[in-house]
Amino acid sequence: NAGVMQNPRHLVRRRGQEARLRCSPMKGHSHVYWYRQLPEEGLKFMVYLQKENIIDESGMPKERFSAEFPKEGPSILRIQQVVRGDSAAYFCASSPRGGSTDTQYFGPGTRLTVL
Amino acid sequence: AQSVTQLDSQVPVFEEAPVELRCNYSSSVSVYLFWYVQYPNQGLQLLLKYLSGSTLVKSINGFEAEFNKSQTSFHLRKPSVHISDTAEYFCAVINSGNTPLVFGKGTRLSVIA
Repeated sequence: NAGVMQNPRHLVRRRGQEARLRCSPMKGHSHVYWYRQLPEEGLKFMVYLQKENIIDESGMPKERFSAEFPKEGPSILRIQQVVRGDSAAYFCASSPRGGSTDTQYFGPGTRLTVL
Repeated sequence: AQSVTQLDSQVPVFEEAPVELRCNYSSSVSVYLFWYVQYPNQGLQLLLKYLSGSTLVKSINGFEAEFNKSQTSFHLRKPSVHISDTAEYFCAVINSGNTPLVFGKGTRLSVIA
């Protein structure tokens, strides 16, 4: 029973390029969450999605960042025109029902480095 | 707004010694509390959680945490640590209104042989 999968595990981009991070939730999970972890910081919530819907994007920067979770395929976090400050570890989590008491299961993360 | 404070950023401890990692939260409504562990270059794994009922919750590997509503705390303890417990530990809170999970900054536990 595979856990949450994220790829790539490491991603290097130059300033101005686009970064695409993928997340495949656990089997049977239809709720996906994205978090960003800056050095020496805890995880900060970015966005919560269900299949084909954005439920809560209160933690997403207003520009350059977008997320989707299509009916088929993985969830994608897209960062356009990356800047050095985007360098961080990006974690995806999934849960079966999406409620407050539902455990979120985390993937191994994608470490983005912007040169 | 909710917040989580982990008072110690780093905790070194000798093997087989006891350890306590402190966590305090602020929230005006009922909360659910979690401890996650992150091993180097890995994602977070749930260690234990408090939802309701008994205020003392335990994990399968000897950790326990006690929810103290009056002190708004959820400290994590283990009576005897192992080298393999070396990791970063995150306390997190979510309220019953389904707002996002809020994490503390983490405590790096280093177990010394």
